[in-house]
Amino acid sequence: GNSVTQMEGPVTLSEEAFLTINCTYTATGYPSLFWYVQYPGEGLQLLLKATKADDKGSNKGFEATYRKETTSFHLEKGSVQVSDSAVYFCALSLGNAGNMLTFGGGTRLMVKP
Amino acid sequence: NAGVTQTPKFRVLKTGQSMTLLCAQDMNHEYMYWYRQDPGMGLRLIHYSVGEGTTAKGEVPDGYNVSRLKKQNFLLGLESAAPSQTSVYFCASSYFRDSDEQYFGPGTRLTVT
Repeated sequence: GNSVTQMEGPVTLSEEAFLTINCTYTATGYPSLFWYVQYPGEGLQLLLKATKADDKGSNKGFEATYRKETTSFHLEKGSVQVSDSAVYFCALSLGNAGNMLTFGGGTRLMVKP
Repeated sequence: NAGVTQTPKFRVLKTGQSMTLLCAQDMNHEYMYWYRQDPGMGLRLIHYSVGEGTTAKGEVPDGYNVSRLKKQNFLLGLESAAPSQTSVYFCASSYFRDSDEQYFGPGTRLTVT
């Protein structure tokens, strides 16, 4: 079956520190990969995505590269801000009927001033 | 555009009571989804719909029913609530194209005592 594994949190960083959140996946086929972010008290919103191997998704200073050889899609940011404090979810979709997403367990990021 | 809205935002039920959660979207999306979010488990798909009048089971459908009588609305019903259904419920919608993002509502926090 399909699955997504993320590093467990919480991840606590100081402002301007470098961020990496690991994500690996198992899929039967060639998935599209996503990072969603959930700010406190809100629903999820798409942060970035990549649809094929070696694609790099980027948004708001965050980046992730689709690595087929290591089945990974790690999220990185060079300098985090307090406003980046949120829960981050890695997800995959096989584009079958319904475009269903399989989510990882989520990683809580806390950034201290 | 309001995007995806959910009603109610909070609800407390006693075991055995029934209720319906309403999701509405104004983006003319074909696909709609209901998820539940539990600590450390990410989001799990309960039911989904690929169009008006159609529904299908997701990963954790037991104890829930859904209906999609109008394209813009997707209802989630609990016929006889159980404490195990205490969770945060999210509705989402998307276009039908491969790898399109899902747009999430703000969530409904349900407690069953």
